[in-house]
Amino acid sequence: GDSVTQMEGPVTLSEEAFLTINCTYTATGYPSLFWYVQYPGEGLQLLLKATKADDKGSNKGFEATYRKETTSFHLEKGSVQVSDSAVYFCALTLTTDSWGKFQFGAGTQVVVTP
Amino acid sequence: GAVVSQHPSWVICKSGTSVKIECRSLDFQATTMFWYRQFPKQSLMLMATSNEGSKATYEQGVEKDKFLINHASLTLSTLTVTSAHPEDSSFYICSARTVLAGSTDTQYFGPGTRLTVL
Repeated sequence: GDSVTQMEGPVTLSEEAFLTINCTYTATGYPSLFWYVQYPGEGLQLLLKATKADDKGSNKGFEATYRKETTSFHLEKGSVQVSDSAVYFCALTLTTDSWGKFQFGAGTQVVVTP
Repeated sequence: GAVVSQHPSWVICKSGTSVKIECRSLDFQATTMFWYRQFPKQSLMLMATSNEGSKATYEQGVEKDKFLINHASLTLSTLTVTSAHPEDSSFYICSARTVLAGSTDTQYFGPGTRLTVL
């Protein structure tokens, strides 16, 4: 079945460090890929997305490129801030799937220290 | 745009009572709404998918008689946890699916409802 695998956390970084969160997927069709962020006690916010191979999603200094050959969608940010501390979820949806159900990864907690 | 609200944001109830959680898309019409459950430090588990005016489709292992879903309009879906027990305590999150102008099909999530059953 379709699935998303992302690196386990927590990932602890110092402010201004480079962040990478790995995400790989398996899918029977051609998925759209997403990164969502969840701050403590809150719901999920869409961070960025890509709908086809080689697309790059970007937002708030975060980037991720849809790599079909490696079935990956790694999230990167060049210089993290304390306010980036959150849980990050990689997700996919097959637009041809019934009603666009999402498959989420387990989430990666990121802790940025001053 | 694309704001989804949930009400209440948190609720505490006694065991055996029922609790209703509302999910609203505030500035768009949602073709489909989804209900998720999230346990502490875990990912989201899809409970059910609902389309306006039709019965919800539940994921395997989710009791449809316990988690009643009503999708009354294109902007409102409700989840009722019937005869709640402590093991139902969780964070419930809804999402609404739509295609916004200039964008592609995606889902927008509500802020979640923290349910605690005593």
